Amino acid sequence: VLLVASGGDLVQPGGSLRLSCVVSGFTASPNPMSWVRQAPGKGLEWVSIIHSGGRTYYADSVKGRFTISRDNSKDTVYLQMNSLRTEDTAVYYCAVHPNYFDPWGQGTLVTVSS
Amino acid sequence: EIVMTQSPATLSVSPGERVTLSCRASQSFSSDLAWYQQRPGRAPRLLIQGASTRATGIPARFSGSGSGTEFTLTISSLQSEDFAVYYCQQYNKWPHTFGQGTKLEIK
Repeated sequence: VLLVASGGDLVQPGGSLRLSCVVSGFTASPNPMSWVRQAPGKGLEWVSIIHSGGRTYYADSVKGRFTISRDNSKDTVYLQMNSLRTEDTAVYYCAVHPNYFDPWGQGTLVTVSS
Repeated sequence: EIVMTQSPATLSVSPGERVTLSCRASQSFSSDLAWYQQRPGRAPRLLIQGASTRATGIPARFSGSGSGTEFTLTISSLQSEDFAVYYCQQYNKWPHTFGQGTKLEIK
Protein backbone atom coordinates (compact mmCIF):
# COMPACT_ATOMS: atom_id res chain seq x y z
CA VAL A 1 0.00 0.00 0.00
CA LEU A 2 1.43 3.33 -1.05
CA LEU A 3 0.10 6.86 -0.69
CA VAL A 4 1.98 9.54 -2.62
CA ALA A 5 1.21 13.17 -1.83
CA SER A 6 2.25 15.96 -4.16
CA GLY A 7 1.52 19.56 -5.04
CA GLY A 8 3.24 21.36 -2.21
CA ASP A 9 4.98 24.61 -3.10
CA LEU A 10 5.87 28.12 -1.99
CA VAL A 11 2.85 30.41 -2.30
CA GLN A 12 2.10 33.96 -1.22
CA PRO A 13 -0.47 34.76 1.47
CA GLY A 14 -3.92 34.84 -0.08
CA GLY A 15 -2.90 32.41 -2.78
CA SER A 16 -4.19 28.97 -3.71
CA LEU A 17 -2.75 25.49 -4.07
CA ARG A 18 -4.10 22.02 -4.83
CA LEU A 19 -2.60 18.95 -3.22
CA SER A 20 -3.04 15.44 -4.59
CA CYS A 21 -2.73 12.05 -2.94
CA VAL A 22 -2.55 9.00 -5.19
CA VAL A 23 -3.21 5.62 -3.62
CA SER A 24 -1.80 2.40 -5.00
CA GLY A 25 -1.74 -1.17 -3.80
CA PHE A 26 -5.34 -1.16 -2.65
CA THR A 27 -8.66 0.41 -3.59
CA ALA A 28 -9.10 3.72 -1.88
CA SER A 29 -12.74 4.29 -2.78
CA PRO A 30 -14.37 2.36 0.11
CA ASN A 31 -12.13 4.07 2.65
CA PRO A 32 -12.40 7.45 4.36
CA MET A 33 -9.35 9.56 3.52
CA SER A 34 -7.96 12.47 5.49
CA TRP A 35 -5.36 15.19 5.30
CA VAL A 36 -3.26 15.85 8.39
CA ARG A 37 -0.72 18.66 8.65
CA GLN A 38 2.34 19.36 10.72
CA ALA A 39 3.74 22.87 11.06
CA PRO A 40 7.55 23.10 11.32
CA GLY A 41 8.68 21.71 14.66
CA LYS A 42 5.09 21.21 15.83
CA GLY A 43 2.64 18.40 16.35
CA LEU A 44 -0.02 16.82 14.18
CA GLU A 45 -3.31 18.49 13.26
CA TRP A 46 -6.16 16.78 11.44
CA VAL A 47 -7.37 19.02 8.58
CA SER A 48 -10.14 17.33 6.62
CA ILE A 49 -11.81 14.00 5.85
CA ILE A 50 -13.82 12.67 2.92
CA HIS A 51 -15.89 9.54 3.34
CA SER A 52 -16.55 6.97 0.65
CA GLY A 53 -19.99 8.43 -0.04
CA GLY A 54 -18.58 11.93 -0.39
CA ARG A 55 -19.39 13.41 3.03
CA THR A 56 -16.74 15.89 4.08
CA TYR A 57 -15.67 17.49 7.33
CA TYR A 58 -13.13 20.17 8.12
CA ALA A 59 -11.17 21.50 11.06
CA ASP A 60 -12.42 24.90 12.15
CA SER A 61 -9.05 26.40 11.21
CA VAL A 62 -9.57 25.66 7.51
CA LYS A 63 -13.36 25.62 7.16
CA GLY A 64 -14.52 27.78 4.27
CA ARG A 65 -11.03 27.97 2.75
CA PHE A 66 -10.11 24.34 2.02
CA THR A 67 -12.07 21.79 -0.02
CA ILE A 68 -11.42 18.06 -0.03
CA SER A 69 -12.53 15.89 -2.94
CA ARG A 70 -11.81 12.51 -4.45
CA ASP A 71 -11.73 10.86 -7.85
CA ASN A 72 -12.34 7.18 -7.19
CA SER A 73 -11.59 6.26 -10.82
CA LYS A 74 -8.06 7.55 -10.24
CA ASP A 75 -7.72 6.48 -6.60
CA THR A 76 -6.83 10.07 -5.85
CA VAL A 77 -7.81 12.49 -3.10
CA TYR A 78 -7.36 16.25 -3.47
CA LEU A 79 -7.12 19.20 -1.12
CA GLN A 80 -7.91 22.55 -2.69
CA MET A 81 -6.49 25.27 -0.46
CA ASN A 82 -7.61 28.88 -1.01
CA SER A 83 -6.98 32.12 0.88
CA LEU A 84 -3.78 30.64 2.28
CA ARG A 85 -2.29 32.15 5.41
CA THR A 86 1.21 32.02 6.85
CA GLU A 87 -0.10 29.74 9.58
CA ASP A 88 -1.03 27.15 6.94
CA THR A 89 2.69 26.51 6.40
CA ALA A 90 3.20 22.81 7.11
CA VAL A 91 3.92 19.38 5.75
CA TYR A 92 0.61 17.94 4.60
CA TYR A 93 0.10 14.19 4.89
CA CYS A 94 -2.69 12.12 3.43
CA ALA A 95 -3.82 9.02 5.27
CA VAL A 96 -6.49 6.35 5.27
CA HIS A 97 -8.73 7.27 8.19
CA PRO A 98 -11.36 4.79 9.28
CA ASN A 99 -10.86 6.07 12.85
CA TYR A 100 -7.13 5.94 13.39
CA PHE A 101 -4.79 6.97 10.58
CA ASP A 102 -3.18 4.09 8.70
CA PRO A 103 -1.36 4.09 6.39
CA TRP A 104 0.16 7.53 5.79
CA GLY A 105 1.66 9.12 2.70
CA GLN A 106 5.09 10.70 2.77
CA GLY A 107 3.94 14.31 3.01
CA THR A 108 4.26 17.38 0.83
CA LEU A 109 5.52 20.77 2.05
CA VAL A 110 3.39 23.87 1.72
CA THR A 111 5.09 27.16 2.51
CA VAL A 112 3.02 30.32 2.67
CA SER A 113 5.27 33.36 2.65
CA SER A 114 5.74 36.65 0.88
CA GLU B 1 -13.26 19.02 21.50
CA ILE B 2 -11.32 16.41 23.46
CA VAL B 3 -7.89 17.75 24.46
CA MET B 4 -5.12 15.16 24.64
CA THR B 5 -2.18 15.93 26.92
CA GLN B 6 1.03 13.91 26.76
CA SER B 7 3.73 13.79 29.37
CA PRO B 8 6.55 14.31 29.59
CA ALA B 9 7.37 16.45 26.56
CA THR B 10 10.87 14.94 26.38
CA LEU B 11 12.28 11.82 27.96
CA SER B 12 15.99 11.01 28.07
CA VAL B 13 16.56 7.28 28.28
CA SER B 14 19.25 4.72 27.58
CA PRO B 15 19.01 1.83 25.10
CA GLY B 16 17.68 -1.30 26.76
CA GLU B 17 15.62 0.61 29.33
CA ARG B 18 11.92 0.22 29.80
CA VAL B 19 9.91 3.40 29.28
CA THR B 20 6.29 4.43 29.79
CA LEU B 21 4.69 7.37 28.00
CA SER B 22 1.48 8.94 29.28
CA CYS B 23 -1.52 10.40 27.49
CA ARG B 24 -4.41 12.02 29.31
CA ALA B 25 -7.78 12.91 27.79
CA SER B 26 -9.96 15.83 28.86
CA GLN B 27 -13.06 13.62 28.57
CA SER B 28 -13.51 9.97 29.37
CA PHE B 29 -13.89 7.28 26.74
CA SER B 30 -13.32 3.57 26.51
CA SER B 31 -10.62 2.53 24.06
CA ASP B 32 -10.80 4.80 21.01
CA LEU B 33 -7.12 5.66 21.21
CA ALA B 34 -4.16 5.21 18.88
CA TRP B 35 -0.41 5.68 19.25
CA TYR B 36 1.97 6.73 16.49
CA GLN B 37 5.73 6.87 16.11
CA GLN B 38 7.38 9.57 14.03
CA ARG B 39 11.06 9.41 13.19
CA PRO B 40 12.81 12.58 11.97
CA GLY B 41 11.83 13.53 8.43
CA ARG B 42 9.36 10.67 8.18
CA ALA B 43 5.60 10.30 8.20
CA PRO B 44 4.00 9.01 11.39
CA ARG B 45 3.46 5.27 11.68
CA LEU B 46 0.61 3.57 13.50
CA LEU B 47 1.78 1.52 16.47
CA ILE B 48 -1.34 0.83 18.54
CA GLN B 49 -5.08 1.17 17.97
CA GLY B 50 -7.99 0.39 20.25
CA ALA B 51 -5.71 1.48 23.12
CA SER B 52 -3.93 -1.90 23.23
CA THR B 53 -3.92 -3.65 19.82
CA ARG B 54 -0.60 -3.58 18.02
CA ALA B 55 -0.72 -2.69 14.34
CA THR B 56 0.57 -5.14 11.76
CA GLY B 57 4.32 -5.60 11.93
CA ILE B 58 4.82 -3.72 15.20
CA PRO B 59 7.24 -5.50 17.56
CA ALA B 60 5.95 -7.01 20.77
CA ARG B 61 8.10 -4.67 22.88
CA PHE B 62 5.44 -2.00 22.21
CA SER B 63 2.32 -2.26 24.35
CA GLY B 64 -0.58 0.03 25.10
CA SER B 65 -3.05 0.16 27.94
CA GLY B 66 -5.60 2.34 29.65
CA SER B 67 -9.17 3.56 29.44
CA GLY B 68 -11.20 6.49 30.66
CA THR B 69 -8.86 9.45 30.68
CA GLU B 70 -5.49 7.80 31.28
CA PHE B 71 -3.59 5.87 28.62
CA THR B 72 -0.01 4.62 28.43
CA LEU B 73 2.43 3.35 25.83
CA THR B 74 5.19 1.12 27.14
CA ILE B 75 8.34 0.12 25.31
CA SER B 76 9.85 -2.81 27.19
CA SER B 77 13.45 -2.55 26.01
CA LEU B 78 14.43 0.48 23.96
CA GLN B 79 16.19 -0.15 20.67
CA SER B 80 18.15 2.51 18.78
CA GLU B 81 15.38 2.84 16.18
CA ASP B 82 12.82 3.66 18.90
CA PHE B 83 14.25 7.12 19.59
CA ALA B 84 11.57 9.22 17.96
CA VAL B 85 8.50 11.29 18.76
CA TYR B 86 5.33 9.51 19.91
CA TYR B 87 1.80 10.85 19.54
CA CYS B 88 -1.49 9.67 20.95
CA GLN B 89 -4.77 10.33 19.11
CA GLN B 90 -8.37 9.93 20.19
CA TYR B 91 -11.10 8.93 17.77
CA ASN B 92 -14.01 8.85 20.19
CA LYS B 93 -15.41 12.24 19.19
CA TRP B 94 -15.00 14.67 16.30
CA PRO B 95 -12.71 16.33 15.66
CA HIS B 96 -10.22 13.55 16.18
CA THR B 97 -7.36 15.10 18.11
CA PHE B 98 -3.70 14.40 18.80
CA GLY B 99 -1.56 14.94 21.83
CA GLN B 100 1.39 17.30 21.44
CA GLY B 101 3.90 14.45 21.42
CA THR B 102 6.63 12.97 23.61
CA LYS B 103 10.17 12.94 22.28
CA LEU B 104 12.38 10.05 23.31
CA GLU B 105 16.02 11.02 23.21
CA ILE B 106 19.18 9.10 23.97
CA LYS B 107 20.63 9.74 27.40
